[in-house]
Amino acid sequence: GDSVTQMEGPVTLSEEAFLTINCTYTATGYPSLFWYVQYPGEGLQLLLKATKADDKGSNKGFEATYRKETTSFHLEKGSVQVSDSAVYFCALNLGGGGADGLTFGKGTHLIIQP
Amino acid sequence: GAVVSQHPSWVICKSGTSVKIECRSLDFQATTMFWYRQFPKQSLMLMATSNEGSKATYEQGVEKDKFLINHASLTLSTLTVTSAHPEDSSFYICSARARIYSAKNIQYFGAGTRLSVL
Repeated sequence: GDSVTQMEGPVTLSEEAFLTINCTYTATGYPSLFWYVQYPGEGLQLLLKATKADDKGSNKGFEATYRKETTSFHLEKGSVQVSDSAVYFCALNLGGGGADGLTFGKGTHLIIQP
Repeated sequence: GAVVSQHPSWVICKSGTSVKIECRSLDFQATTMFWYRQFPKQSLMLMATSNEGSKATYEQGVEKDKFLINHASLTLSTLTVTSAHPEDSSFYICSARARIYSAKNIQYFGAGTRLSVL
């Protein structure tokens, strides 16, 4: 079945450090890929997405590129801030119209220290 | 932006009782709502897909008589955990998919409900 594997946390970085959170996937078709972020006490929020190979999603300084050849969608940010501390989930779904529920990774807890 | 409200955020109940969790899309119509369950340090697992006005579609291994889903309107879906037992203790999260075509592939999530069954 479909699955998402992402690096386990917690990941602890200093402010202004470079961030990479790895995400790889297994899917039978051509999935859309997503990164969601969950701040303490809040619901998951869509951070960015990509719907086809070589697409790059970007938002708030974060970016991820849909790599079909390596089945990856790694999340990167050049300079993290304390406010980026949260749990990040990589996810996929196969329904182009969003008909299917999402398949999630386990989440990566990111801690940014001042 | 699109807001999904989930209520209650935390509930404690006795074993054998039933608990209802509400999921509302506050500022948009949702043709489809999804219910997920999350165990500690695990990923969110899809339990069921709920379409307005029709029966929910449950994922394999999810007991539909245990987890009753009602999607009576385009802005409200409810999950009722019937005859709850300690093993049902978990974090339940709903999401709603917008009816607007341009945002159709995006799900908006509630903040989740933590259920503790004593």
